[in-house]
Amino acid sequence: QKEVEQDPGPLSVPEGAIVSLNCTYSNSAFQYFMWYRQYSRKGPELLMYTYSSGNKEDGRFTAQVDKSSKYISLFIRDSQPSDSATYLCAMMYTGGFKTIFGAGTRLFVKA
Amino acid sequence: EAGVVQSPRYKIIEKKQPVAFWCNPISGHNTLYWYLQNLGQGPELLIRYENEEAVDDSQLPKDRFSAERLKGVDSTLKIQPAELGDSAVYLCASSLGGRALDEQFFGPGTRLTVL
Repeated sequence: QKEVEQDPGPLSVPEGAIVSLNCTYSNSAFQYFMWYRQYSRKGPELLMYTYSSGNKEDGRFTAQVDKSSKYISLFIRDSQPSDSATYLCAMMYTGGFKTIFGAGTRLFVKA
Repeated sequence: EAGVVQSPRYKIIEKKQPVAFWCNPISGHNTLYWYLQNLGQGPELLIRYENEEAVDDSQLPKDRFSAERLKGVDSTLKIQPAELGDSAVYLCASSLGGRALDEQFFGPGTRLTVL
């Protein structure tokens, strides 16, 4: 079993829809949770990171962490065609430098 | 400000041939990472440098992979000999360094195809 599980999709939504992307994990030692966006033929770029449980909002993006369920989510409001990309969740142990990535979910936002 | 630069962007070689990838991190970034990304998967760490020192190479297949970061700036990742299963994207990333939560900035990657 992988430490981080993420549905690869693809997920296709109409423009303006609310998108929900999710990851589950098995190791309760993870304390830092991140979401990266990766466009085709590009490297990942950090969107948001959160520490422990709770919510964090940045513009149209909201990250949620539920440590009791070992479940994290990224919500995208008013989705745009420019949001079409692969979204990778990632996690890190406290005090560690190693980032564990999910497999990524491919998102298509149709105009 | 220039981002992380990688070259070549694409490389096609036959199996058993050697190949090398080059990375120039963001100026001032002391930490450099090499990742392997297989199709449909997330990046997996191969090696992490703090300046010129390889501080985590536990995931680097040392029988065929090697890396160096002379002078603590540019880095080269080499595979010799390449195998069919090495076909993947090799990503380089850099961060300011010293703290685990320093944001990592990724380059565009080198897409390797081994025939």
